[in-house]
Amino acid sequence: QKEVEQNSGPLSVPEGAIASLNCTYSDRGSQSFFWYRQYSGKSPELIMFIYSNGDKEDGRFTAQLNKASQYVSLLIRDSQPSDSATYLCAVNKGNDMRFGAGTRLTVKP
Amino acid sequence: DADVTQTPRNRITKTGKRIMLECSQTKGHDRMYWYRQDPGLGLRLIYYSFDVKDINKGEISDGYSVSRQAQAKFSLSLESAIPNQTALYFCATSAIGLSQETQYFGPGTRLLVL
Repeated sequence: QKEVEQNSGPLSVPEGAIASLNCTYSDRGSQSFFWYRQYSGKSPELIMFIYSNGDKEDGRFTAQLNKASQYVSLLIRDSQPSDSATYLCAVNKGNDMRFGAGTRLTVKP
Repeated sequence: DADVTQTPRNRITKTGKRIMLECSQTKGHDRMYWYRQDPGLGLRLIYYSFDVKDINKGEISDGYSVSRQAQAKFSLSLESAIPNQTALYFCATSAIGLSQETQYFGPGTRLLVL
């Protein structure tokens, strides 16, 4: 079992729809959770992080964390073609950061 | 100017050659990291350093070594390159503090080992 699992996709949504990206992790001691966006051929860039159970909103993005279920998700509202990218989930336990393989999202005009 | 730079951006080398990838940052961060990215495997941590005197192995350090020459510089060496080290390599930095774990990535070095 991978430490951080994501559906590789591709996930395709129409412009204006809500995109839902999911991530599960295996280590219950994990402390902080991150979502990065990576455009093709580019480096990852942080979208947002979350430490506590519940929801955290930042503009069109909402991160949701459920530590009991070891599950973290990212919702993108009003999806735009410019959101088309690979989304990486990352989980940190102490000094050790583990990344998922990423979910490729395509937003169709 | 970019806050985290990597040189070279692309490199082709042959099996058995020694190569060095370099990373420099102007963000003033204490922590620096080296990752490799392979299709379907995501990012995997090779080495990390929390200050000039601190070097730690990551998930996949075998076949690699690092040097932290200064707070702003962190280099990755492949002593004897092999084809399965063909990958995209990223350097990253983070600061000590409330958001200490937020990592900022360089543009990447694409390495091909023939």
